Order: sequence, then C-alpha cells, then structure tokens
Amino acid sequence: GQQLNQSPQSMFIQEGEDVSMNCTSSSIFNTWLWYKQDPGEGPVLLIALYKAGELTSNGRLTAQFGITRKDSFLNISASIPSDVGIYFCAGPAFIQGAQKLVFGQGTRLTINP
Amino acid sequence: EAGVTQSPTHLIKTRGQQATLRCSPISGHTSVYWYQQALGLGLQFLLWYDEGEERNRGNFPPRFSGRQFPNYSSELNVNALELEDSALYLCAIQGGYTFGSGTRLTVV
Repeated sequence: GQQLNQSPQSMFIQEGEDVSMNCTSSSIFNTWLWYKQDPGEGPVLLIALYKAGELTSNGRLTAQFGITRKDSFLNISASIPSDVGIYFCAGPAFIQGAQKLVFGQGTRLTINP
Repeated sequence: EAGVTQSPTHLIKTRGQQATLRCSPISGHTSVYWYQQALGLGLQFLLWYDEGEERNRGNFPPRFSGRQFPNYSSELNVNALELEDSALYLCAIQGGYTFGSGTRLTVV
C-alpha cells in the first residue's frame, strides 16, 4: 500500500540552527502536505505542494515536491523555540476506492535555547 | 470561528465501556474524517462521512463506528474499549486539510 517514510524521527538542535527533514514513498503522490502538531492539539497545515519540482515558502519554512513525485522535504531556517513540535508529511491516496490522507510517522523537533 | 470543534477534550473510560466522541464542522462542510493518533505514532485513517453516509473506513474493527447527523456533525463510537484504544482522536474537514484539536481518550 501507499506509505510515507519520514526521517529523521527526532531532531535535537540549538536555537538559530537550520532544520531539514524529508519524506519518501515507494508510490507516486500528486500532492504533498506538511503539517505541524503542537502538544495536545491537532495538526495544522503548513505548506501544500501540488506540482512536481515545486518549491514553496511560508515564512522561514520551505518545502519542495520531488521531481520523481516520490519524495518531499521541509526546511526550517533560523529555528526559534516556537518551532518545537512534531512535523508530519502527508499525501492523498486512493485506498479501497476512496481518497484519504496517508501520514508519515512524524519528525519530533526539540530546540535547546 | 474554529473550522472543526471536538468534544470532549479529554475522556477517561474503563476497559469494556463505550466512548462517544463528537465533531462539529464549520457551516458549509459536509464531509468529516476521523483519525486515530496513538501515542508516538502517526495518524491512522478511521472513518469518512459525507452527506450523512459512511463513505469509507480504515483498518479498524467494527467496535469503531459512527454516524453523521443532518447538520453534518458527527459522532465516533468505540465499544468494548481496550487499553490500546487510548489515543488522540482527531476530526478533520476539507479532505483532511483542517483538523480539530482532538479528544484525548484514555482507557484504564
């Protein structure tokens, strides 16, 4: 089935450092989504990518849709304490005749001040 | 106004009991998606309701069921609760792009 493999599982960085995480799949995805989840909250959509090769920014966040359509990465520049949380990649997949979102396992980001 | 409102925020139940979780989408959204997020894991698709009908379900036992009301709000019911049902249950609209804050279900 369509699965997303996200790496790394966790990151421990110093405030001000840049962060890079990625998501890969053995199947093609036509859309890539990146979410952030704060403790006790639901995921919040950060960036949506709809076209292979697309590079999209949202403030200090930049995400790219891989050319092969089987991967995507998310970069965070000059990290700040509020960037702490779990980042998920996701993509729509047709399973059993219906579309649903498939999620990666998440990357937990911890920032040392 | 929040896109999706879920209640209760927290729910503690005993093994074997039933739990009912609620989701209210903002006006104009007829589809509701339910996801389970067990501790330390990603989100697993549970159920999809649209226009009052169950359209699809994930790989979960029949103990997990639900319904959608005429006003498009939805209930998720979990019967015969097991310890491993402890998780954050999330409701989403817009094809899953917008999530509520979730209900934290703890089974003891």
